[in-house]
Amino acid sequence: GAGVSQSPSNKVTEKGKDVELRCDPISGHTALYWYRQRLGQGLEFLIYFQGNSAPDKSGLPSDRFSAERTGESVSTLTIQRTQQEDSAVYLCASSFSRGREKLFFGSGTQLSVL
Amino acid sequence: AQSVTQPDIHITVSEGASLELRCNYSYGATPYLFWYVQSPGQGLQLLLKYFSGDTLVQGIKGFEAEFKRSQSSFNLRKPSVHWSDAAEYFCAVGAGNTPLVFGKGTRLSVIA
Repeated sequence: GAGVSQSPSNKVTEKGKDVELRCDPISGHTALYWYRQRLGQGLEFLIYFQGNSAPDKSGLPSDRFSAERTGESVSTLTIQRTQQEDSAVYLCASSFSRGREKLFFGSGTQLSVL
Repeated sequence: AQSVTQPDIHITVSEGASLELRCNYSYGATPYLFWYVQSPGQGLQLLLKYFSGDTLVQGIKGFEAEFKRSQSSFNLRKPSVHWSDAAEYFCAVGAGNTPLVFGKGTRLSVIA
C-alpha cells in the first residue's frame, strides 16, 4: 500500500479482555516498530522487528504484551488481560532499515479499556 | 540511557510570528536527531533530521533546526508561522542501532 496501515483505528474493550492490533507496513520496509502514546506523553518504544533477526522486545512493559511479524509483512501486537493503564494510542512505524532511516508512521489504534 | 527533553508542553504564537521549539538530549554517543510533527487526525511526519555535517538543517514546510553539541540541543525554528502549523511536535534521538527515543512533545497553537 501507499502507507503504513493500522487496524482497527479505534478499539474499546473491557478490562481483562485480550486485544489484537494489526499493522501493515510499507512494502519493502524491513524494519517495523511499535510505539505507545499515552495521553499527553511522548512515544514509548515497545518492540522492533528487523528482517529475520530476533525482535528487540526491550520496551514491552509486561508479559501481557507480545508481538509477532510474519516475514517482512504484517505485524500483530497482542495485549492480554487488558488493564485501564493500557489505554493509549498504539502506533506502528516502518522503515527500510534501522538507525538513520526515516520512520513512516501509521495513524495508530486508539485503545480504550473500560 | 539516552533521553530527550522538550521543556515546553504548550506554546501559542500569532500567525506570522517566528517560532522556536526547544529540544535537549542526553546521549553518550554522537546522536542522530529528528523532528516529527503530528497534525490532528494524521500520523507522524518527519520534518527534518540531522546525522552529521552542517549543523543547520533544512526541512519541509519551511522549518529548520540547529544542532548545538555544546548545549546538547536541537531546537526547531520557523521564521513565520502559518495557521496550518498548529500541531504536536516531537523531537527524537537515536544512535547506531538503538530505537528512537522521543520527547513528550510540544503542542503548538496558532492564533490570528
